[in-house]
Amino acid sequence: AQTVTQSQPEMSVQEAETVTLSCTYDTSENNYYLFWYKQPPSRQMILVIRQEAYKQQNATENRFSVNFQKAAKSFSLKISDSQLGDTAMYFCAFMKPYGGSQGNLIFGKGTKLSVKP
Amino acid sequence: NAGVTQTPKFQVLKTGQSMTLQCAQDMNHEYMSWYRQDPGMGLRLIHYSVGAGITDQGEVPNGYNVSRSTTEDFPLRLLSAAPSQTSVYFCASSSPRRLTEAFFGQGTRLTVV
Repeated sequence: AQTVTQSQPEMSVQEAETVTLSCTYDTSENNYYLFWYKQPPSRQMILVIRQEAYKQQNATENRFSVNFQKAAKSFSLKISDSQLGDTAMYFCAFMKPYGGSQGNLIFGKGTKLSVKP
Repeated sequence: NAGVTQTPKFQVLKTGQSMTLQCAQDMNHEYMSWYRQDPGMGLRLIHYSVGAGITDQGEVPNGYNVSRSTTEDFPLRLLSAAPSQTSVYFCASSSPRRLTEAFFGQGTRLTVV
C-alpha cells in the first residue's frame, strides 16, 4: 500500500520570502503521479502542481516548483516570493494511473502554511 | 460548466439519523469518489466508482453506502449517523484519459450530535 508523509504540521514564512514544504512517500510502483494541493479557508481544493514519476525534470508553475527525488521518494514544494494569498493548508498526494484503485488520490496529513506580512 | 456540485454545504444530524450527501458532475467523467477530511488526518478515500453500476470501497468505508446508477451522480448515504462521522466530505471526479485533472466539489461540512 502507498503512504504519503508530511512531517511539518505547520510552517510560517515572511511575505516575499521562500519556503519549502516536505513530502515523502512509500510505494513499490515505478509509474505514478504526485501532486500538491492547496486548500485555503474557503475549503476549495486547488491543484498547485503535479509531477509524473517517469519525468526526471522537476515541474514548475510560476512561483511554485518541486524537488522530485524518485530514489529517495521525496517530493518537496518550494514557494518563491511568498504572498499573503498563499496562506492555506497544503496537501501532498499520490496517484496510481493503473491497476486497482487507479485514479484515486492518497493524501498526506497536510501542512498549514501561514504567510506573515 | 458547473463542474462538481455537492449538496448540502452544511448539515447537522442527530445520532442515528440517516441522510444522503449528493454529488453531481456535468463533465461526463467516468471516475467519481468520496473523501472525508478530518483535522490532522488529511483526506481519506471512502468509496469510489469507475463507471455507472460499479463501486468499490476505499480506506474508510464503514458506515457509508454508495451507488452509481448514472454517470452524473454519485450519492453517499449515511444509514445511521454517528458522532465519528462528523467531518468534511469531498466528492471528486476525473476522466481515465486525464487522471491528473481531478475536479473537487466544494465540500459538505457534516456535524453529528
